[in-house]
Amino acid sequence: ETGVTQTPRHLVMGMTNKKSLKCEQHLGHNAMYWYKQSAKKPLELMFVYNFKEQTENNSVPSRFSPECPNSSHLFLHLHTLQPEDSALYLCASSQEMGTYSNQPQHFGDGTRLSIL
Amino acid sequence: GQQVMQIPQYQHVQEGEDFTTYCNSSTTLSNIQWYKQRPGGHPVFLIQLVKSGEVKKQKRLTFQFGEAKKNSSLHITATQTTDVGTYFCAGDAGGTSYGKLTFGQGTILTVHP
Repeated sequence: ETGVTQTPRHLVMGMTNKKSLKCEQHLGHNAMYWYKQSAKKPLELMFVYNFKEQTENNSVPSRFSPECPNSSHLFLHLHTLQPEDSALYLCASSQEMGTYSNQPQHFGDGTRLSIL
Repeated sequence: GQQVMQIPQYQHVQEGEDFTTYCNSSTTLSNIQWYKQRPGGHPVFLIQLVKSGEVKKQKRLTFQFGEAKKNSSLHITATQTTDVGTYFCAGDAGGTSYGKLTFGQGTILTVHP
């Protein structure tokens, strides 16, 4: 039990499909993150939300669209993806950003995304 | 932008041997965190180092933060098969970006029994 739950665990979709990834945290945190993990590459920070406000968009293509309706839930809406978008998408949460240095991030198990 | 380099990329050891991974940031850090990701799992927070020259120990694991707060290392004494996984360092530049981490590429550790 990680305290951060991601669904689905696996997703296979065509390039023209629209799908959404969901992340829910039960830790009472106020900051949530989306990361992309590809083989042989560092974790790439995609988006950050702090108290439901987007504070970071790390030059992510518009075919990825995040949504944070409240501090406990984070979505990543996917549309017209490319084969190079196949990766493990990890959600994480932390207490909050910009205030304290003591900010361990808690990760979910990820969604393994395959684009056909 | 900030870059965090980590070496080696891979390390194969016999059980009982020691292991060290090194992390180097292109900029001075506010703090550095270390994570472990088991095969098929997700990154799990191990420790955070904040002070210049700081050394912290967790059983067989020793973590160091450089005097200039730009480099760090993780040393495992007498590895066990349970140590298998990928070890990531992650640098936090601090300021208004506290919590925004830049991850190293990771070191994949294999331990042969």
